[in-house]
Amino acid sequence: RKEVEQDPGPFNVPEGATVAFNCTYSNSASQSFFWYRQDCRKEPKLLMSVYSSGNEDGRFTAQLNRASQYISLLIRDSKLSDSATYLCVVNRYGNKLVFGAGTILRVKS
Amino acid sequence: DTGVSQNPRHKITKRGQNVTFRCDPISEHNRLYWYRQTLGQGPEFLTYFQNEAQLEKSRLLSDRFSAERPKGSFSTLEIQRTEQGDSAMYLCASSVGQRGGLSNEQFFGPGTRLTVL
Repeated sequence: RKEVEQDPGPFNVPEGATVAFNCTYSNSASQSFFWYRQDCRKEPKLLMSVYSSGNEDGRFTAQLNRASQYISLLIRDSKLSDSATYLCVVNRYGNKLVFGAGTILRVKS
Repeated sequence: DTGVSQNPRHKITKRGQNVTFRCDPISEHNRLYWYRQTLGQGPEFLTYFQNEAQLEKSRLLSDRFSAERPKGSFSTLEIQRTEQGDSAMYLCASSVGQRGGLSNEQFFGPGTRLTVL
């Protein structure tokens, strides 16, 4: 079993839709949690950190449930430019990041 | 450009040849990481440096792989006797290490895409 599991998708949604991605992690010692975005053939870029209290950045909301070892990302009012692969990432202790395989989002007009 | 840079961006080589990649991190970052990404997968950790010290290596890093960061600035990743299974994107990232071992955000370079024929 992989340390970070994600539904690979693809999620095909129309512009303006709300879409949610989920992720589970297996190592309870994980300390930091992130969503990275990766465009085709580009490097990953940090989208947002994830906190137990939940955090929001514009149209994006991330949530962490430590008890269930579950991380979520909600995108509201999807734009064409949101089309990308979304990587769920955990960090055990300050050094290496452990990535999920990614969830592909395609937003269509 | 003050981001992480990697060279070359693409490398095509024949099986059995040696290849070397270079990574220049963001100048004030003391931590440097190497990851490998294959199609349809997320990046996988290979190794990381704090300044010039290599502090952790993944089991993915076989004896054919060696990484250095001699002056605590740029880093090189060498693969000896390349195999077709080494074909992947090799990503470098850097960050500022905090006290207690925590790191800030890791910033990734554009990667070096290796194709082994």
